[in-house]
Amino acid sequence: SYVLTQPPSVSVAPGKTARITCGGNNIGSKSVHWYQQKPGQAPVLVIYYDSDRPSGIPERFSGSNSGNTATLTISRVEAGDEADYYCQVWDSSSDHGVFGGGTKLTVL
Amino acid sequence: QVQLVQSGAEVKKPGASVKVSCKASGYTFTSYDINWVRQATGQGLEWMGWMNPNSGNTGYAQKFQGRVTMTRNTSISTAYMELSSLRSEDTAVYYCARGFVGGGTEWFDPWGQGTLVTVSS
Repeated sequence: SYVLTQPPSVSVAPGKTARITCGGNNIGSKSVHWYQQKPGQAPVLVIYYDSDRPSGIPERFSGSNSGNTATLTISRVEAGDEADYYCQVWDSSSDHGVFGGGTKLTVL
Repeated sequence: QVQLVQSGAEVKKPGASVKVSCKASGYTFTSYDINWVRQATGQGLEWMGWMNPNSGNTGYAQKFQGRVTMTRNTSISTAYMELSSLRSEDTAVYYCARGFVGGGTEWFDPWGQGTLVTVSS
């Protein structure tokens, strides 16, 4: 089955740029989606189709995907961005959803 | 607005079954998949399966094959996830999420509020 690998944690100072990676075999050939989950809350979609933002998601959130790595970039990080972030793809060979292990973003 | 509202917390004994409901509102229920995802305390998200509310077709993660059943009642726009032969490792928050299908992929938005299922003797 398809495996997605994320770093367990990323730390960033307020106002700086955070980059959260999601690794997978030839992940650039798949569409990657990203979710934000704050403590005690359900996940929220922040990026779909590699780089599209749902309505209501700030422009500070962006995504890219190429080769074996997809990246979620959060510019001008705010304290409110502190959360767990998960990448997700659809494995069409098995018709299954797949999540990465999640990355805890800490705002210093 | 689009909303998924799940049933309340459950406590079950090992070996029992649990059935969690997910009521959709604000959109045409039969036009989008419903996916189920669970999360054990302090752990990541684990995809369990999908259901097409229009056809009733389903697809389950291999890990749950034989133990999970996803169904729906279109007259009340509600999806259900039943998990049987419960064990302590099934203690988790269970989420339903609307699935958007396109271009060979599927993503989830929005999500229900989650249902805590506790398995304990």
